[in-house]
Amino acid sequence: GAGVSQTPSNKVTEKGKYVELRCDPISGHTALYWYRQSLGQGPEFLIYFQGTGAADDSGLPNDRFFAVRPEGSVSTLKIQRTERGDSAVYLCASSSLAGTYNEQFFGPGTRLTVL
Amino acid sequence: QQQVKQSPQSLIVQKGGISIINCAYENTAFDYFPWYQQFPGKGPALLIAIRPDVSEKKEGRFTISFNKSAKQFSLHIMDSQPGDSATYFCAASAANRDDKIIFGKGTRLHILP
Repeated sequence: GAGVSQTPSNKVTEKGKYVELRCDPISGHTALYWYRQSLGQGPEFLIYFQGTGAADDSGLPNDRFFAVRPEGSVSTLKIQRTERGDSAVYLCASSSLAGTYNEQFFGPGTRLTVL
Repeated sequence: QQQVKQSPQSLIVQKGGISIINCAYENTAFDYFPWYQQFPGKGPALLIAIRPDVSEKKEGRFTISFNKSAKQFSLHIMDSQPGDSATYFCAASAANRDDKIIFGKGTRLHILP
C-alpha cells in the first residue's frame, strides 16, 4: 500500500507570501503529525491531529502557522506572511495507534525555501 | 531545553566495524524510545524501538541497549555496511500512545567501503 505522501516536494516562495503544504496520510490512520526539520537538526513537533481535531498544537511557533484536517484524512499546513526563518523541510507522519508503540510513518517532506 | 541529547554528531566507521551512537534523556515520563534512519531527501524511517522494561533489544545487526537508571540508551550497528551510511536519530515519547516524538539532533554515519 502507499505510504505517506506530501506535495509539493519543493516549494520556493518570497518573503511575505502565503504557502500551503499538503499531506496525504496512510489510509485508515487516524493520527496525523506535522514536524519541521531544519538543516542539520532532528524533526521538531508542530501539531497533532486525532481525526479532524487538533489534539495538540503546542509546537506551532506563532500564529502565522495553521493546519487543518477537515475530513480526518488529508491535512494542509498553512503559513502566512512567510519569513526566511521558515525555510526548512516540513514532514508529515501518520499513525494507526493500533499497536503498543506509537509507530509513526513519515512522508518524504516538503522542502520550503523562503527567499 | 534539549530533552534528548545525542552523540556523536558525526561518525566514520570502517566496513565490518561496529557503529555506536549514544543518547541521554531527561524526562522520566518517556517510555518509548525509537531510533529512526534517514537518507538524504527522504523522511525518517523507524529502525528499531524499545520500552524501558527491557535492557536490550536486538533486530538483525541492530541492537538497542537501555540503562533506565542512567537515563541513557544507545544504538549498536554490528558488521556496519556502506548501505548503513545515513543520519540516525534517537527519539523518545511519553506515556500516551498518541504523544509526539521528541528527536535528538542526529548522527551522520559514514561507513567506509
